[in-house]
Amino acid sequence: QLQLQESGPGLVKPSETLSLTCTVSGGSISSSSYYWGWIRQPPGKGLEWIGSIYYSGSTYYNPSLKSRVTISVDTSKNQFSLKLSSVTAADTAVYYCASSTGEGLDYWGQGTLVTVSS
Amino acid sequence: EIVMTQSPATLSVSPGERATLSCRASQSVSSNLAWYQQKPGQAPRLLIYGASTRATGIPARFSGSGSGTEFTLTISSLQSEDFAVYYCQQYNNWPPLLTFGGGTKVEIK
Repeated sequence: QLQLQESGPGLVKPSETLSLTCTVSGGSISSSSYYWGWIRQPPGKGLEWIGSIYYSGSTYYNPSLKSRVTISVDTSKNQFSLKLSSVTAADTAVYYCASSTGEGLDYWGQGTLVTVSS
Repeated sequence: EIVMTQSPATLSVSPGERATLSCRASQSVSSNLAWYQQKPGQAPRLLIYGASTRATGIPARFSGSGSGTEFTLTISSLQSEDFAVYYCQQYNNWPPLLTFGGGTKVEIK
């Protein structure tokens, strides 16, 4: 079964760019069976979908974040990545990567807390 | 944008009792609805997709129903490990947009 693991800095300064990577094991990120996505959860709050990418490189973003988000795939490393620009304290959250066959998000990483602070 | 509304925000239930959670969509999502369970400090876990299909390994005490705009997650006999927060999520427009409900916390009465 798939395993996903997020990695990246736990602290980002305001106005800078948040960068995270999700490493996929147990399967190929090039599989046409899956979409790959990012979801975040501010402390004590609910889940927010950030965006997703298909192996072909097609991307889909939450309209509320679209102007600041870039998701990309590196098939050679079996990884996909998230960049969120111009961050503020409101972007402080646990960031999850996950996979989907199009019927729910079935495999999730453990999540990584990113704090935006100077 | 489709808005998902869950009720109640908190549900107090005794072990062994039935829990019924509701999720409403602002417009029809057909049966493109998933439910997740999240325990403190853990990632969400997929319970139900297609409004009523249990994901792999999910116990039969979890059941989902509904279509269109009204959905229900029922836990037939609450076990100690079921006390958690539950989220619904629509994927009717998939791609390109997923949306989650605000969550229902199921707590011990």
